[in-house]
Amino acid sequence: EPEVTQTPSHQVTQMGQEVILRCVPISNHLYFYWYRQILGQKVEFLVSFYNNEISEKSEIFDDQFSVERPDGSNFTLKIRSTKLEDSAMYFCASRATGGPGELFFGEGSRLTVL
Amino acid sequence: KQEVTQIPAALSVPEGENLVLNCSFTDSAIYNLQWFRQDPGKGLTSLLLIQSSQREQTSGRLNASLDKSSGRSTLYIAASQPGDSATYLCADHPFNAGGTSYGKLTFGQGTILTVHP
Repeated sequence: EPEVTQTPSHQVTQMGQEVILRCVPISNHLYFYWYRQILGQKVEFLVSFYNNEISEKSEIFDDQFSVERPDGSNFTLKIRSTKLEDSAMYFCASRATGGPGELFFGEGSRLTVL
Repeated sequence: KQEVTQIPAALSVPEGENLVLNCSFTDSAIYNLQWFRQDPGKGLTSLLLIQSSQREQTSGRLNASLDKSSGRSTLYIAASQPGDSATYLCADHPFNAGGTSYGKLTFGQGTILTVHP
């Protein structure tokens, strides 16, 4: 069964360092998303991406964050200068064009900022 | 702003029991409703998506209903098993009048389900 894959599964970094989280969406999907879940809190929307541009972003997604589709299969989230409060589980999701818009999520990348 | 609330926060039941998880939302504008399962430290597994025009969806032992007038959705799990133990999340799934999903889900805080043998 097709699935969304994410790497790394866990990354530990020092505050102020740049981090890139990688995602391979389901192959025929064209809409991509990043969500995050701080420990003990709700899953929250960060950004949506379609046709090589951001469709919508939340107030969390400030200038420290960026997304990119560097090739035909990868979708990345970059955090330019990490802060302690960026520690969270980051989920990538994708969906197909048309239909009811069911989102499929990856296993997540746990980011720990020290 | 849409708010999604799930009750109860935690539920512990013996194996074999039928159970209901509740999800309520404040804005009943056009939307779909998606239920997920999350195992500890893992990703979100899609269980069911109910479209705005539907009243319920079924998959195996799972049945999800949607009542837009009351702003509620329920997930019914029949004959629960220890393997059903997980956190169950519901998420509001808005889309526009043209039927295009925004993909910007608003999640509830989840119900932690424990099914003991």
